[in-house]
Amino acid sequence: GQQVMQIPQYQHVQEGEDFTTYCNSSTTLSNIQWYKQRPGGHPVFLIQLVKSGEVKKQKRLTFQFGEAKKNSSLHITATQTTDVGTYFCAGPRAGGTSYGKLTFGQGTILTVHP
Amino acid sequence: GAVVSQHPSWVICKSGTSVKIECRSLDFQATTMFWYRQFPKQSLMLMATSNEGSKATYEQGVEKDKFLINHASLTLSTLTVTSAHPEDSSFYICSLGGNEQFFGPGTRLTVL
Repeated sequence: GQQVMQIPQYQHVQEGEDFTTYCNSSTTLSNIQWYKQRPGGHPVFLIQLVKSGEVKKQKRLTFQFGEAKKNSSLHITATQTTDVGTYFCAGPRAGGTSYGKLTFGQGTILTVHP
Repeated sequence: GAVVSQHPSWVICKSGTSVKIECRSLDFQATTMFWYRQFPKQSLMLMATSNEGSKATYEQGVEKDKFLINHASLTLSTLTVTSAHPEDSSFYICSLGGNEQFFGPGTRLTVL
């Protein structure tokens, strides 16, 4: 079945350093989504990428979707303590009965030291 | 985006009892909702798809008789963990939406 792999599992950075998490799918994706889960909280939608090679920016966050639509990355420039949390990528399941179903990567737990 | 609530936010129960968790869509009519389970420091695992007015569909390996799902209206889905055991202790989260999913705040279940 479809697998979505995400690395690294953990990342500790000093405040102000950059951070990147990578996501790879075993299958071609129609789109890829990124979610952030704060400690003790629930996942919150960040962005969706649809087009091959797409790059989107949200302030200090840069999201990329690979040319083959099987991999993606999230890069945070100059991390802040408010960036702490777990970042998940998620890909939709293929198939007509699968609308809305997501397969999540394992997540990257980001810790930012002040 | 949609606003989703869950009740209770946490529950502690004894082994062998049943626990009902509610997921409500406050501003969106959802014919489909999803139930996930998340163990500490792990990813979200889809358990089942809740379908309004029809049976839920369960992911492989999820016991439908243990995790009863009812989706009686377009704004409410319930998950009942029957005969709960300590290994069922987890964070249960519902979601709804289309391509973009909106998650409830989650219910932390602890089974003693």
